[in-house]
Amino acid sequence: KQEVTQIPAALSVPEGENLVLNCSFTDSAIYNLQWFRQDPGKGLTSLLLIQSSQREQTSGRLNASLDKSSGRSTLYIAASQPGDSATYLCAAVTGANNLFFGTGTRLTVIP
Amino acid sequence: EAGVAQSPRYKIIEKRQSVAFWCNPISGHATLYWYQQILGQGPKLLIQFQNNGVVDDSQLPKDRFSAERLKGVDSTLKIQPAKLEDSAVYLCASSFGSLNYGYTFGSGTRLTVV
Repeated sequence: KQEVTQIPAALSVPEGENLVLNCSFTDSAIYNLQWFRQDPGKGLTSLLLIQSSQREQTSGRLNASLDKSSGRSTLYIAASQPGDSATYLCAAVTGANNLFFGTGTRLTVIP
Repeated sequence: EAGVAQSPRYKIIEKRQSVAFWCNPISGHATLYWYQQILGQGPKLLIQFQNNGVVDDSQLPKDRFSAERLKGVDSTLKIQPAKLEDSAVYLCASSFGSLNYGYTFGSGTRLTVV
């Protein structure tokens, strides 16, 4: 069964810093990996989806990379802003089209 | 395009009562999911539908949880009777059903069982 781990569980940074969130998964036979953002009391907002054949995806200040062979993905956030404060979840997608989620990283960006 | 609609947004019930949640996916999305997210944890899959058929319900506590997706569109998730440990956010998501597409989540229903 796929297990997804996210480190760190919580992160606090001053505004303007670049930061990296880590995601690891135990079964490298994934079809894609998706990063989500979750604000308190809200649902999940999709940020980036990386196909298994891709190495990275970029959207604005966000860049996500994928290394299937080592079972790792990272989410890089450049020039962090207070509005980036949220919980970030990664999810590995299996062949059955199921998402297996990590427990998330709670990010706080201090003005 | 309209997003995934869920109702109600919040529900408070006493243990042993029953409750139902409703989800309307994005039009044309063949696959619909129900996830349970307990505070501080990542979402956990309860059930996956492909059109109106069940693909995976291996983690659904079938003694108390049930779900249906009539006509392959809307879906309802029911809990009867509820337990304290069912307190969680219940998220509905939908996708085209192809592995190359992403997933869209609703805002969720926050259930508190007292």
